[in-house]
Amino acid sequence: EVQLVESGGGLVKPGGSLTLSCAGSGFTFSNAWMSWVRQGPGKGLEYIGQSKTKAGGGTTDTAAPVKGRFIISREDSQSTLYLQMNSLKTEDTAVYYCTTILYDSPSGSYRPYWGQGALVTVSS
Amino acid sequence: QSVLTQPPSVSGAPGQRVTISCTGGSSNIGAGHDVQWYQQLPGTAPKLIIYGNTNRPSGVPDRFTGSKSGTSASLAVTGLEAEDEADYYCQSYDNSLSGGDVVFGGGTKLTVL
Repeated sequence: EVQLVESGGGLVKPGGSLTLSCAGSGFTFSNAWMSWVRQGPGKGLEYIGQSKTKAGGGTTDTAAPVKGRFIISREDSQSTLYLQMNSLKTEDTAVYYCTTILYDSPSGSYRPYWGQGALVTVSS
Repeated sequence: QSVLTQPPSVSGAPGQRVTISCTGGSSNIGAGHDVQWYQQLPGTAPKLIIYGNTNRPSGVPDRFTGSKSGTSASLAVTGLEAEDEADYYCQSYDNSLSGGDVVFGGGTKLTVL
């Protein structure tokens, strides 16, 4: 069974830093493109960035609202994805989800999987 | 401003059929990228109900049907039930950013009258 488990959420002051982890299991982590998505209170879903596999170039990308402040990395040997968040702002308050897409043989399509989310609150 | 466009709200009476549209462009849905649909109940994580445009994960009722044509996709819900009242989001991928970026619709609130 595919599982993604986020950890590391909590309360942080504006300007502070926090690192989220996402532990994957039930699939070959090193072969999986991994992404972070967030949802602010009362808001929609927002893409944060992604980490490509080594075979896919091994690059990471972040979306404009967090570029230069958030860093995505992965440790394939630990099957873990990270989101390092720096210079946090109150508007970064959100539930952060770790996601991946895996090939689903029966349908011939790629199927997304999500973690349960980690709440990050940025407040003084 | 979301890359994919959804109506803010739709409604229907129990037993009726409703559809939710998701309009994109040539760099995302129109480029052949698959569309996913998520259902989100208050205070819970989004739940995948359609992936690969038309596929339902196990456990999702066949009252939920996804389709895609051109630069748009739709989610149809037939035989509306009270438990279907939720927010629904479409999701695809976009070529125009760093290559395969995840994009979402702004969400549609489905109200069962």
